[in-house]
Amino acid sequence: NAGVTQTPKFQVLKTGQSMTLQCAQDMNHEYMSWYRQDPGMGLRLIHYSVGAGITDQGEVPNGYNVSRSTTEDFPLRLLSAAPSQTSVYFCASSYKGGTEAFFGQGTRLTVV
Amino acid sequence: AQSVSQHNHHVILSEAASLELGCNYSYGGTVNLFWYVQYPGQHLQLLLKYFSGDPLVKGIKGFEAEFIKSKFSFNLRKPSVQWSDTAEYFCAVTLYSSASKIIFGSGTRLSIRP
Repeated sequence: NAGVTQTPKFQVLKTGQSMTLQCAQDMNHEYMSWYRQDPGMGLRLIHYSVGAGITDQGEVPNGYNVSRSTTEDFPLRLLSAAPSQTSVYFCASSYKGGTEAFFGQGTRLTVV
Repeated sequence: AQSVSQHNHHVILSEAASLELGCNYSYGGTVNLFWYVQYPGQHLQLLLKYFSGDPLVKGIKGFEAEFIKSKFSFNLRKPSVQWSDTAEYFCAVTLYSSASKIIFGSGTRLSIRP
């Protein structure tokens, strides 16, 4: 029962580097989303997708790109990492809008 | 803009004390409401949810929450906390009009003294 799988768990980047955070779910959920979690700020929505081929911006999309070529995968790309992107990133999926979200284990990213 | 407010940032209780964590949201339409829990070093897990019907909902581990529509509130309660309840608790809302987005509160850190 894998659920939502995120890789890597930890990552250190230098300013200006790019990388992709991977997210995969095996529950055939249509909805997937990316959040960042910062102390005292809760979870803020970066990007979300309501199905393969459909993505939209959330609350804090700048500096991040996403694509959704399959139902299962929803990678998050950091184009040019900045120290302000140091955070814990969570991927989540849900069966449909308004239903319970299932979260991955998170990726702790540090940009130096 | 829609928002979710959790006014208690850090709550410290002794074991067996009663717990109530506040949650208010700003949206006049139909909402679905959730409480998630994040144990240290882990991902978020669902505690309970409200979609419709009885406004008093029961979740896992003895938690319950009451939806009061007139107050735009969805407070979380537990009659007697345990040390294992130490965690961060997040209230969340999805809007009927934009159900693809989950809006989270800033979280309440709960510390239980053994």
